[in-house]
Amino acid sequence: DTAVSQTPKYLVTQMGNDKSIKCEQNLGHDTMYWYKQDSKKFLKIMFSYNNKELIINETVPNRFSPKSPDKAHLNLHINSLELGDSAVYFCASSPGTSGRGGETQYFGPGTRLLVL
Amino acid sequence: DQQVKQNSPSLSVQEGRISILNCDYTNSMFDYFLWYKKYPAEGPTFLISISSIKDKNEDGRFTVFLNKSAKHLSLHIVPSQPGDSAVYFCAASGSADGLTFGKGTHLIIQP
Repeated sequence: DTAVSQTPKYLVTQMGNDKSIKCEQNLGHDTMYWYKQDSKKFLKIMFSYNNKELIINETVPNRFSPKSPDKAHLNLHINSLELGDSAVYFCASSPGTSGRGGETQYFGPGTRLLVL
Repeated sequence: DQQVKQNSPSLSVQEGRISILNCDYTNSMFDYFLWYKKYPAEGPTFLISISSIKDKNEDGRFTVFLNKSAKHLSLHIVPSQPGDSAVYFCAASGSADGLTFGKGTHLIIQP
C-alpha cells in the first residue's frame, strides 16, 4: 500500500505540449506539495496546497498549475512545456493544516519528465 | 542562495564504522530539521527529525545533533550497514512553507 503515489513514473513529451502528473495520498493528510528536482539535484518547493489554500513559490512559471479535486489528490498541470522543464517532480504530503514548519513530509516516488 | 548546505557531495565509510553526515544552514528562522534518505529512482524517505528546542534526537542506529549557535546539524549512523548506502538530504523548515533541502551527500558503505 503506497502512501503517496504518482503517475506516470516516466513522461517523455515534445516541447509545447500540455501534460499532467497525478498525485494521490492515502495517509489522510491535510497538506500536499509539489517539488522539483533539477539537473543539479536540488529539491525545491513549487507549491503547497491545504484546504483549498494554495501557496505558490514565486519562481514557478504560471505555466504550472496545481489542481486539487479533493484532499487526497493534488495534480500538476504544465502548459506549453519547455526544455528546461525536464526534471524529476515529487509530490509530498504532511498531516497538518498549515503547511508550515514542524511537520514531517512524506514523498512519492517521483515522475521523471523529459521534454524533447 | 543556498540556505541549507551539505558540503560533502560524497562520503565513503567502512561497514560497521560510524558515518557522520554534516549540514549547515543560514536561515535563523528554521525551527525544524529533517534527514531524508534517497535511493535511485525512488522518492526521499523520512529518516529522523529534530526540533530546534532540542539538541539531540536518537532513533535506533540514527542520531541527529543540532548546534543552533553554529547553525549546524549532523546525522550519525552507527554501526553503518551496506543498506545505508544512499543519498542523504538534510532539510529544514520554518516560517516559509515547504522544506528547504540541501544538495545531498552520497554515502557509500564499503564492505
